Amino acid sequence: EAQVTQNPRYLITVTGKKLTVTCSQNMNHEYMSWYRQDPGLGLRQIYYSMNVEVTDKGDVPEGYKVSRKEKRNFPLILESPSPNQTSLYFCASSLFRGGAYEQYFGPGTRLTVT
Amino acid sequence: SQQGEEDPQALSIQEGENATMNCSYKTSINNLQWYRQNSGRGLVHLILIRSNEREKHSGRLRVTLDTSKKSSSLLITASRAADTASYFCATDPHVQGAQKLVFGQGTRLTINP
Repeated sequence: EAQVTQNPRYLITVTGKKLTVTCSQNMNHEYMSWYRQDPGLGLRQIYYSMNVEVTDKGDVPEGYKVSRKEKRNFPLILESPSPNQTSLYFCASSLFRGGAYEQYFGPGTRLTVT
Repeated sequence: SQQGEEDPQALSIQEGENATMNCSYKTSINNLQWYRQNSGRGLVHLILIRSNEREKHSGRLRVTLDTSKKSSSLLITASRAADTASYFCATDPHVQGAQKLVFGQGTRLTINP
């Protein structure tokens, strides 16, 4: 089954404790991205990757890192999480079809930083 | 920055009625997409309309695009309880290239049985 998976789905952690949220897709998509979703703010892009070893900042990259060593994986790293990073995070991979990137989303990771 | 803005923010209708949601955006675009999100879950792609198209249909969905007014609408006909979800428009801003989608804040649709 074609899908985007994220782990963990739920995470409660403390300020300053490094964490990684994994993202994997089995559709051989080149383009992947990370979003955070907050009430009243909609989805905001954190980072995106056009291909292996090619990453770029989105609208809200501060406090996050990513890597793209393999096509299927795109982990999101929070080196020193803070409470303002409490949010719902989505990974997405994209199929370029008909001149547009149609995005496939993972199920989400709900992160709470205390 | 938020490109698309949906209107209304929330909509509640009776099952069987039609639901219309609107999206406005600020810059020229390559295309516009609509997504659905069930509570707390990932977004699901519904339909894409290109900047040179004015209307598109997919099942009970009808999308229109007016580039002169920088707006789009999503119509769901004969609504069902399963249509209860949040709906987002996403634009592919022309100036920023084709690799970036910018999402609006969404319209929360509730279908009452």
